[in-house]
Amino acid sequence: EAGVAQSPRYKIIEKRQSVAFWCNPISGHATLYWYQQILGQGPKLLIQFQNNGVVDDSQLPKDRFSAERLKGVDSTLKIQPAKLEDSAVYLCASSFLGVIPTHNEQFFGPGTRLTVL
Amino acid sequence: AQKVTQAQTEISVVEKEDVTLDCVYETRDTTYYLFWYKQPPSGELVFLIRRNSFDEQNEISGRYSWNFQKSTSSFNFTITASQVVDSAVYFCALRRATGANNLFFGTGTRLTVIP
Repeated sequence: EAGVAQSPRYKIIEKRQSVAFWCNPISGHATLYWYQQILGQGPKLLIQFQNNGVVDDSQLPKDRFSAERLKGVDSTLKIQPAKLEDSAVYLCASSFLGVIPTHNEQFFGPGTRLTVL
Repeated sequence: AQKVTQAQTEISVVEKEDVTLDCVYETRDTTYYLFWYKQPPSGELVFLIRRNSFDEQNEISGRYSWNFQKSTSSFNFTITASQVVDSAVYFCALRRATGANNLFFGTGTRLTVIP
């Protein structure tokens, strides 16, 4: 079974530029998450989708970050314009949406490492 | 609010030594889930274990064991006879049983196993 795919793996941009990340979840997983992991910290949720609807985006800096999951499968996360403090690893995760919570384990992709200069 | 604390930032052990990684959590929920993830240098988070809040039985899986104590809000992870391949950053995390089921992570413990 294929895992969560993310691209690109690495991205270097200058501040004020725009950048987009792509995530393809595990087939059949209705829930998709984007996490931000700053160096030396644990991942923090940015946004959670269930199918193509947003469940939680309370921690998403909406003045510069946006995310979409139009067809309920792939998702893109965009930053426009980027700031130095956006340098981090952006992790995508997906989980099955089941009645039994224990079946809803999150599986993570390899992440995209963003460096903002 | 949910909070997970991993007080140990970095630990170094010599191969074959046992090592325990500490995790303390805070939540007002009565039902929740606790997790441990491993993050090797490749960056991908690898699921190790999930524990339900109502199940305080300790668990052993090969060289790994977990000690969950609700009375002290701790969920510690022990690696027995450590190996070089165990070198990674380990994260403890908490997930609510209801509502948005995102994970709340600690800051991680970097384990280095010296050959």
